[in-house]
Amino acid sequence: DSGVTQTPKHLITATGQRVTLRCSPRSGDLSVYWYQQSLDQGLQFLIQYYNGEERAKGNILERFSAQQFPDLHSELNLSSLELGDSALYFCASSVSGANEKLFFGSGTQLSVL
Amino acid sequence: GQQVMQIPQYQHVQEGEDFTTYCNSSTTLSNIQWYKQRPGGHPVFLIQLVKSGEVKKQKRLTFQFGEAKKNSSLHITATQTTDVGTYFCAVEAGFQKLVFGTGTRLLVSP
Repeated sequence: DSGVTQTPKHLITATGQRVTLRCSPRSGDLSVYWYQQSLDQGLQFLIQYYNGEERAKGNILERFSAQQFPDLHSELNLSSLELGDSALYFCASSVSGANEKLFFGSGTQLSVL
Repeated sequence: GQQVMQIPQYQHVQEGEDFTTYCNSSTTLSNIQWYKQRPGGHPVFLIQLVKSGEVKKQKRLTFQFGEAKKNSSLHITATQTTDVGTYFCAVEAGFQKLVFGTGTRLLVSP
């Protein structure tokens, strides 16, 4: 158990809908990262937060947004969903930054039908 | 932006054979991390290399950072079925942006 909690584990929705993925980092970790992993694909960096502030952005679509709350949990919002958004979304946390090891959650499997 | 290529994409070995995956960057790296993702699982941190020419060992796994800090390798001696999974390298591509390589999928037959 990495200590990072992601909910829900599975999500099935329809095109055009909006969903929210939730992540609770390990106790004491201030940084949260979001990654997207499509079938047989690598891990695509989406966005990173540190102590509530956005610090780094990857190839995150404009339809996607995220935030980190004062209690350090984070949410990834995906809107106007398309079939191609179907993927495994991972959250990871670290104490402070990208030069440290990341602890990954078990992921949320999103299926857009 | 930062490009990190891993080779091979896929390798199938017999149990007991050795395995090596390589990670190559177009730019000099400050450090490199390695992760393993079992089928159906999430990535798990293996190690971080920081110094030029650094070599670290974890039981049957040997990690190496190139002298120019542009490449790295992970070598597994005498693979076991428990080694099955995808191995990723990860590097910093800009401030706080940890980018993962394309990954090498390892399959081990008993």
